[in-house]
Amino acid sequence: AQSVTQLGSHVSVSEGALVLLRCNYSSSVPPYLFWYVQYPNQGLQLLLKYTTGATLVKGINGFEAEFKKSETSFHLTKPSAHMSDAAEYFCAVRKSGGYNKLIFGAGTRLAVHP
Amino acid sequence: EAQVTQNPRYLITVTGKKLTVTCSQNMNHEYMSWYRQDPGLGLRQIYYSMNVEVTDKGDVPEGYKVSRKEKRNFPLILESPSPNQTSLYFCASSERDSYGYTFGSGTRLTVV
Repeated sequence: AQSVTQLGSHVSVSEGALVLLRCNYSSSVPPYLFWYVQYPNQGLQLLLKYTTGATLVKGINGFEAEFKKSETSFHLTKPSAHMSDAAEYFCAVRKSGGYNKLIFGAGTRLAVHP
Repeated sequence: EAQVTQNPRYLITVTGKKLTVTCSQNMNHEYMSWYRQDPGLGLRQIYYSMNVEVTDKGDVPEGYKVSRKEKRNFPLILESPSPNQTSLYFCASSERDSYGYTFGSGTRLTVV
């Protein structure tokens, strides 16, 4: 069965520092992988996705993620954190054997301090 | 504006009183899903639909019903709500399997 593990339920960085949010997945088939962001009192917004092709994918707001099959990872990074990046981030993998069924990780809350 | 609209945003109800949370999308998407979000558990899929009249259970379907009579609407029905269904609910739609979902703003449900 597929699963998604996000290491660290809370991550705190200084403004201008590197953001690294970790995601590891398990999947018996080539995965579709997604990162979503949730701002307070809002729904989830798609940041970026990997389906096929280039393993380094770029998303909105300066975020990017690299699919590493050998490590079963899809970590999210941003070179320089901004105060507006404070939010909760969810990694998700499409479940095999079912159309558009996504399995989400538990989420990582990112805090950015001055 | 392309969007998924859920109503209501907030709802407090009593145990056993039937309720419906509506969901509508204006993007002509085929796929629609309902998720619930609980602290520490992320989002879990309740039901999903691949097209009109085609629905299937997700990972936590107990106590919920759905219907997809029209492409744009995908209501979530709680026939007899219980306190363990207190949660934040999201409706979402997608054009294709690989595109990712567009989420609504959420419905915060409290069952007392």
